[in-house]
Amino acid sequence: GDSVTQMEGPVTLSEEAFLTINCTYTATGYPSLFWYVQYPGEGLQLLLKATKADDKGSNKGFEATYRKETTSFHLEKGSVQVSDSAVYFCALVSGGSNYKLTFGKGTLLTVNP
Amino acid sequence: DAGVIQSPRHEVTEMGQEVTLRCKPISGHDYLFWYRQTMMRGLELLIYFNNNVPIDDSGMPEDRFSAKMPNASFSTLKIQPSEPRDSAVYFCASSSKAGSRWDGYTFGSGTRLTVV
Repeated sequence: GDSVTQMEGPVTLSEEAFLTINCTYTATGYPSLFWYVQYPGEGLQLLLKATKADDKGSNKGFEATYRKETTSFHLEKGSVQVSDSAVYFCALVSGGSNYKLTFGKGTLLTVNP
Repeated sequence: DAGVIQSPRHEVTEMGQEVTLRCKPISGHDYLFWYRQTMMRGLELLIYFNNNVPIDDSGMPEDRFSAKMPNASFSTLKIQPSEPRDSAVYFCASSSKAGSRWDGYTFGSGTRLTVV
């Protein structure tokens, strides 16, 4: 079945540091890939997405590139801010008519001033 | 749009009591999902609906859990009787597919359930 593996957290960085959160997946067919972010006390929000190989999703300074050859979708940001502190979830949905998202376990990011 | 609306935001109940969680999806969305989030197990899909019809309830933990969607604008998740191990944050999410474009889910803010 489908699965998503994220790097274990927590990740603690200083403001303006470079961020990478690794995500790899196993899926049937050609999945669409997503990153969601959850701020404290809130629901998950879509951060970015990519629907086919070599697509790059980007939003709020975050980027992730759909790498079919390595089945990866790593999240990056060049300079993190304290306000980026949150839990980040990688997710996928398989192709076809199944719209059920499969999530990774989440990675807690803490950015210190 | 007000987004996905869940109520209540917090619920504290005694073991053995019935608990009902409510969700109003985004108007026009034809998929609705119920998730449970705990530290130990992360996000778990409990059940999802398409056009008000339950499609996959394989994630529902046991018979104490039930979900309904009587119309396109309302869904409930009921736990009867509740147990301390049901304590978690319960999220509702909705989604719509327009042609070949799909933007994933929109989540509600969740209901934090504590069973004592």
